[in-house]
Amino acid sequence: EAGVTQSPTHLIKTRGQQATLRCSPISGHTSVYWYQQALGLGLQFLLWYDEGEERNRGNFPPRFSGRQFPNYSSELNVNALELEDSALYLCASSGGLAGVMFTDTQYFGPGTRLTVL
Amino acid sequence: DQQVKQNSPSLSVQEGRISILNCDYTNSMFDYFLWYKKYPAEGPTFLISISSIKDKNEDGRFTVFLNKSAKHLSLHIVPSQPGDSAVYFCAASGGNAGNMLTFGGGTRLMVKP
Repeated sequence: EAGVTQSPTHLIKTRGQQATLRCSPISGHTSVYWYQQALGLGLQFLLWYDEGEERNRGNFPPRFSGRQFPNYSSELNVNALELEDSALYLCASSGGLAGVMFTDTQYFGPGTRLTVL
Repeated sequence: DQQVKQNSPSLSVQEGRISILNCDYTNSMFDYFLWYKKYPAEGPTFLISISSIKDKNEDGRFTVFLNKSAKHLSLHIVPSQPGDSAVYFCAASGGNAGNMLTFGGGTRLMVKP
């Protein structure tokens, strides 16, 4: 069974541009989570989507946004990129609030390395 | 305000011996705890979890212990193998944090042959 997949693997942008990162959850999972790991920092929670709705967001500015599609895949958008947005962006999935395979355990994808020049 | 802390940034252990990684938390509402293993530039790999209704969970070489009164959990790896060398993160969820994971800062484990 395929795990969580993310694309692209690497993304290079310049300041002020927009970045779009994509995530496909494990089959049967309805919840998708986004985390940021900046250099030298720990993993910080960004966003949680379940059943197409944003359920919670971390302490990040509104230029970090996303959505979840009917097939439960998700997109993270970062607008007006700043140098400090350079980080590894990780997506995780779990069974979700109403999923058949409910589990609290989050399984992570390989990440997208975003570099802002 | 760091709600989950791993006070040892690194740990070095001889192959075959026990590795003990520690984690402390401050939010008494946390009710689910997990350990992840991470290599550089990769996503964390789930290792083992424990619910707050238990005080121990075992899976092969990995055992997690939870002491709710001390708000402390630990991961024991026995016997340690060189392939266990990685950064280990503890994480917690529950209460008003809901499903969002709050991570500790990580402990780098080095297992020497």
